[in-house]
Amino acid sequence: AQSVSQHNHHVILSEAASLELGCNYSYGGTVNLFWYVQYPGQHLQLLLKYFSGDPLVKGIKGFEAEFIKSKFSFNLRKPSVQWSDTAEYFCAVKPNYNTDKLIFGTGTRLQVFP
Amino acid sequence: NAGVTQTPKFRILKIGQSMTLQCAQDMNHNYMYWYRQDPGMGLKLIYYSVGAGITDKGEVPNGYNVSRSTTEDFPLRLELAAPSQTSVYFCASGQGVGRSGNTIYFGEGSWLTVV
Repeated sequence: AQSVSQHNHHVILSEAASLELGCNYSYGGTVNLFWYVQYPGQHLQLLLKYFSGDPLVKGIKGFEAEFIKSKFSFNLRKPSVQWSDTAEYFCAVKPNYNTDKLIFGTGTRLQVFP
Repeated sequence: NAGVTQTPKFRILKIGQSMTLQCAQDMNHNYMYWYRQDPGMGLKLIYYSVGAGITDKGEVPNGYNVSRSTTEDFPLRLELAAPSQTSVYFCASGQGVGRSGNTIYFGEGSWLTVV
């Protein structure tokens, strides 16, 4: 079965530190890829998405992600985090054979301290 | 600018009770979804619908039922609540993730506790 792995369950950083959150998926075919963010007490919001084209995708709030097909990865990055980035981050994959279902990773909790 | 609206936001149920989580969207989306979110488990798809009158099971459908009589509404019913159904439930809608550029939008969640 297809799966999405986020190996970093909990990340703690100081403000201005650089961030990289890992995401790996298990499907070998063409995929669509997403990162969602969930701020404390709120619903999920889309950060960025990859469908095709340039594998380096830029999203909102200074986030970016790089799709590396050979590594089945879609890692999320931000060069300098802020306290307001404290949230839970979810990677999601849609295998193209399956019309409209997203498969989510287990999430990474990010805490940023001033 | 309502988007996806879920009610209730919080509910406590006794074991064996039944209830319906309501979900409505005003974006004319064909596709609607119900997910549950458990700590450390991410989001799991319960049921989804690709249009009015059409529903299908997701990864964890047991103990739940859905209906889609209109494009706007996609209620989730728990018939005999069990403690394992204590979770946060998210409804979502979209034009169809398969179409390039489209994504799904989430409601604010419903916190359900079964005691």
